[in-house]
Amino acid sequence: KQEVTQIPAALSVPEGENLVLNCSFTDSAIYNLQWFRQDPGKGLTSLLLIQSSQREQTSGRLNASLDKSSGRSTLYIAASQPGDSATYLCAVPYGGATNKLIFGTGTLLAVQP
Amino acid sequence: NAGVTQTPKFRVLKTGQSMTLLCAQDMNHEYMYWYRQDPGMGLRLIHYSVGEGTTAKGEVPDGYNVSRLKKQNFLLGLESAAPSQTSVYFCASTPGFGNTIYFGEGSWLTVV
Repeated sequence: KQEVTQIPAALSVPEGENLVLNCSFTDSAIYNLQWFRQDPGKGLTSLLLIQSSQREQTSGRLNASLDKSSGRSTLYIAASQPGDSATYLCAVPYGGATNKLIFGTGTLLAVQP
Repeated sequence: NAGVTQTPKFRVLKTGQSMTLLCAQDMNHEYMYWYRQDPGMGLRLIHYSVGEGTTAKGEVPDGYNVSRLKKQNFLLGLESAAPSQTSVYFCASTPGFGNTIYFGEGSWLTVV
């Protein structure tokens, strides 16, 4: 059964620092991987979707990479800001074409001003 | 553009009561999902639908029922609420396989 793990569980950094969030998955036969952001008391907002044929996706200060062979994805946040403080979740689909998602445990990020 | 809308946002139920959570999406998406999020357990799939008139069980379907009579709506029902169903419920939708999945803002349910 696919398992998705995120390390670290929590991270606190000063404003302006570049940082990397990690996501690991046990079954490398994935079609894509999605990164989400969740603010306290809110729903999940999709940040980036990386297809299995891609190695990287970029959106503004965010860059996500995917290495299927090693079962890893990283989310790089450049020049972090207090507004980046949130929980970041990665998720991979399972169950064929139904697009059901299995989620990682999340990384709680705090960017200190 | 409303996206995925969930109602109600907050609800307190007594054990044994029934209720329905409504999810509506205005993006003409085929697939819809109901997840619950609990501390230490993460997000878990309750039920899902891959098209109007279809529903299927997810990881934790016991105690819940769903219906997808209209493409834009996905209803989650609790027939006899239990304290173990205290949770935050999220609805999500997507055009189909391999696409970005969009989530609603969540519904906070407390069963006392």
